[in-house]
Amino acid sequence: AQSVAQPEDQVNVAEGNPLTVKCTYSVSGNPYLFWYVQYPNRGLQFLLKYITGDNLVKGSYGFEAEFNKSQTSFHLKKPSALVSDSALYFCAVRDLFGAGNNRKLIWGLGTSLAVNP
Amino acid sequence: KAGVTQTPRYLIKTRGQQVTLSCSPISGHRSVSWYQQTPGQGLQFLFEYFSETQRNKGNFPGRFSGRQFSNSRSEMNVSTLELGDSALYLCASSFGEGGQVLGNGELFFGEGSRLTVL
Repeated sequence: AQSVAQPEDQVNVAEGNPLTVKCTYSVSGNPYLFWYVQYPNRGLQFLLKYITGDNLVKGSYGFEAEFNKSQTSFHLKKPSALVSDSALYFCAVRDLFGAGNNRKLIWGLGTSLAVNP
Repeated sequence: KAGVTQTPRYLIKTRGQQVTLSCSPISGHRSVSWYQQTPGQGLQFLFEYFSETQRNKGNFPGRFSGRQFSNSRSEMNVSTLELGDSALYLCASSFGEGGQVLGNGELFFGEGSRLTVL
């Protein structure tokens, strides 16, 4: 069965330090991976996605994510965190060439990022 | 270009009542998906519509229903409300056929309707 795990409920980082929000996945075929961000009292916003190609994907607001096939991971990173990055981050995955239920987008439970000034 | 609009933003109901939530997608988007978000369960997929047809459905009881109109606007209805239905209900639209399942996964979310059941 397809699944997504975000092993950390909360990540705390000091402003200016690098940040990493972890995501691991399980799909039967080729993964199609996403990161979304949710600011307080707002809907989710698309950050970036990986389909194929370069393992390092660049997205909005200076975020990037690294796809690691051997570790089945898609960790979200930013070199220098801002207080305004404090939000809830969701990882999602789909089997790129799956059929039926295997084409559903599967969501992680979210990781709350707190950037301290 | 206006984003996804959800109404009402906040509402309070009592057990046994019913509620209707509305979602207006981004102009030109024909796919609308609905989600229930709760702190413990994360983001749970409810259903997805494209061209007035329900394309996919999540694992929710029949009390949860929806529809889509010819202008792509969508409504969801929850009947016989239970305390556990308290949640943030999110709507997302996408250009292609089925953002949640069949499309490219780039979904545009509204700010949600926060339902409290007392």
